[in-house]
Amino acid sequence: QKEVEQDPGPLSVPEGAIVSLNCTYSNSAFQYFMWYRQYSRKGPELLMYTYSSGNKEDGRFTAQVDKSSKYISLFIRDSQPSDSATYLCAMTTDSWGKLQFGAGTQVVVTP
Amino acid sequence: NAGVMQNPRHLVRRRGQEARLRCSPMKGHSHVYWYRQLPEEGLKFMVYLQKENIIDESGMPKERFSAEFPKEGPSILRIQQVVRGDSAAYFCASSPPSTGILANYGYTFGSGTRLTVV
Repeated sequence: QKEVEQDPGPLSVPEGAIVSLNCTYSNSAFQYFMWYRQYSRKGPELLMYTYSSGNKEDGRFTAQVDKSSKYISLFIRDSQPSDSATYLCAMTTDSWGKLQFGAGTQVVVTP
Repeated sequence: NAGVMQNPRHLVRRRGQEARLRCSPMKGHSHVYWYRQLPEEGLKFMVYLQKENIIDESGMPKERFSAEFPKEGPSILRIQQVVRGDSAAYFCASSPPSTGILANYGYTFGSGTRLTVV
């Protein structure tokens, strides 16, 4: 069993729809949770960062962490074709940054 | 301020040759991390280095792989006697000293080196 599970997709949505992404994990020691966006042939780019449980909103993006269920989510509102990318969840037990990544979900937003 | 610079962007090596991947961290960053991304898989941690020190190499294969981050110059990931299974994208990330990833809400990745072993 992988430490972090993420559905690889692809997830296809029409422009303007809400994109819903999630990851589950098995290690209860994870405390810091991140979402990265990766365009084809590029490096991952940090989108959202959350510590412990709770919600965080930044523009069109909302990240949720439910530590009791070992489940994290990312929502993208009013999706745009430019949001088409692979979204990777990542998490770590400490501040020094050995991140455990999910496999990534490919998202396609169609005009 | 240039981001994390990796070179070469693409590298082709024949089986048995050596591959050297370079990473120049962002200005002022002294922590470097290497990750490997295999096709259809997420990034896998390989090694965490500070200047002249290997802090955590728990993700490095035991043989053929080595990494360094000298006092001067870029960090180098070296793969000796490459095999086809080493074909992957290798990403480097950097963060500032003494703060880990949290102060900057995660670290900055380079665009990667895509290694193809033929």
